[in-house]
Amino acid sequence: GQQVMQIPQYQHVQEGEDFTTYCNSSTTLSNIQWYKQRPGGHPVFLIQLVKSGEVKKQKRLTFQFGEAKKNSSLHITATQTTDVGTYFCAVDRGSTLGRLYFGRGTQLTVWP
Amino acid sequence: EADIYQTPRYLVIGTGKKITLECSQTMGHDKMYWYQQDPGMELHLIHYSYGVNSTEKGDLSSESTVSRIRTEHFPLTLESARPSHTSQYLCASSGTGNQPQHFGDGTRLSIL
Repeated sequence: GQQVMQIPQYQHVQEGEDFTTYCNSSTTLSNIQWYKQRPGGHPVFLIQLVKSGEVKKQKRLTFQFGEAKKNSSLHITATQTTDVGTYFCAVDRGSTLGRLYFGRGTQLTVWP
Repeated sequence: EADIYQTPRYLVIGTGKKITLECSQTMGHDKMYWYQQDPGMELHLIHYSYGVNSTEKGDLSSESTVSRIRTEHFPLTLESARPSHTSQYLCASSGTGNQPQHFGDGTRLSIL
């Protein structure tokens, strides 16, 4: 079964609006990774969160890891057309073997 | 940028043919993965390897097979291709611990 639930599956926004995607797990996570896949491209690693309550920023992107380490979010402020793509969260099971379980992804469409 | 290469990028071939999708990485990563992804859909892990002579099946049942004779090389083979095998196949690798996965550009496979 799915290790992590990601919502929403699709999001359509006008350029300049904000966007958020969420990942939720029923179990405590050791860490969570976020990837972005442009249309026609391959997933590209964005960031990894490890600590409870951690917040990291990359320009207009803000990543959060919940206090209980069971959920995470990716927020984009003032979306641009270059933000178009599918955003995936990915988790492991606390193992160091490197196997990741990807969420279903959120497809972001940005209208100019 | 990650050094992981997949060939061919595109392949259109008839039913019943034997196909080998190539994946090579020059980063010395022990861990390698094969994912199957339909357009706009989630990533499905079909095979992974933790090192030479180690291969495991992933979550999605696949009629493909893999081998890992050399660290840098992780080919995927379909003995007899069928239209249901039409999809994109993504190869990835990662280093020690929970390091992020680096993806190749993928092979878009169409079986007629």
